[in-house]
Amino acid sequence: TQLLEQSPQFLSIQEGENLTVYCNSSSVFSSLQWYRQEPGEGPVLLVTVVTGGEVKKLKRLTFQFGDARKDSSLHITAAQPGDTGLYLCAGPTGTASKLTFGTGTRLQVTL
Amino acid sequence: GAVVSQHPSRVICKSGTSVKIECRSLDFQATTMFWYRQFPKQSLMLMATSNEGSKATYEQGVEKDKFLINHASLTLSTLTVTSAHPEDSSFYICSAGGLWAGGVNEQFFGPGTRLTVL
Repeated sequence: TQLLEQSPQFLSIQEGENLTVYCNSSSVFSSLQWYRQEPGEGPVLLVTVVTGGEVKKLKRLTFQFGDARKDSSLHITAAQPGDTGLYLCAGPTGTASKLTFGTGTRLQVTL
Repeated sequence: GAVVSQHPSRVICKSGTSVKIECRSLDFQATTMFWYRQFPKQSLMLMATSNEGSKATYEQGVEKDKFLINHASLTLSTLTVTSAHPEDSSFYICSAGGLWAGGVNEQFFGPGTRLTVL
């Protein structure tokens, strides 16, 4: 079973601060995705990283896929209250269409 | 991205009754849909993979007779929680997707259904 461990589990910061969320595995993934989920809603896809070492930017969010494709990170610059939510990494496992989700990182950004 | 809807968004039922949850892909045909369960403050746990026109594939530990899945068309999958009990109370989320162009696996999620069994 391919496991995805995220750290930290919970993060509470003030508006304007920077933060990094990590997603680690002992297994190699062909790709990894990051989702954000708000309470009472389904996850929303933020990005997919495919190539080892790849860096993608989405406004204030920077995603990186590890060179060995076993880990990924999400860096948020100047966090805003609207960034509050559950951040999940996910990677394909078993049959190509199934996803395994990471343990999740709950982010709270306060004014 | 693709749009996936779920109905109902919230349901409260008495113990022993059955509840049906619908998952629809609105703007694309989904040969594969997935059903997840999420407990408070936890991540998503895959329950089963729903394949159009064939039987669902259940994850280890998920009772197939308890959670009936039907994928009758390319745009609709249903999850029926039979003889629901309070421990079945949870947030159920479906997704649609599979391999897209370039071999990248992406799934698009519905808004979820909050089930409360009294």
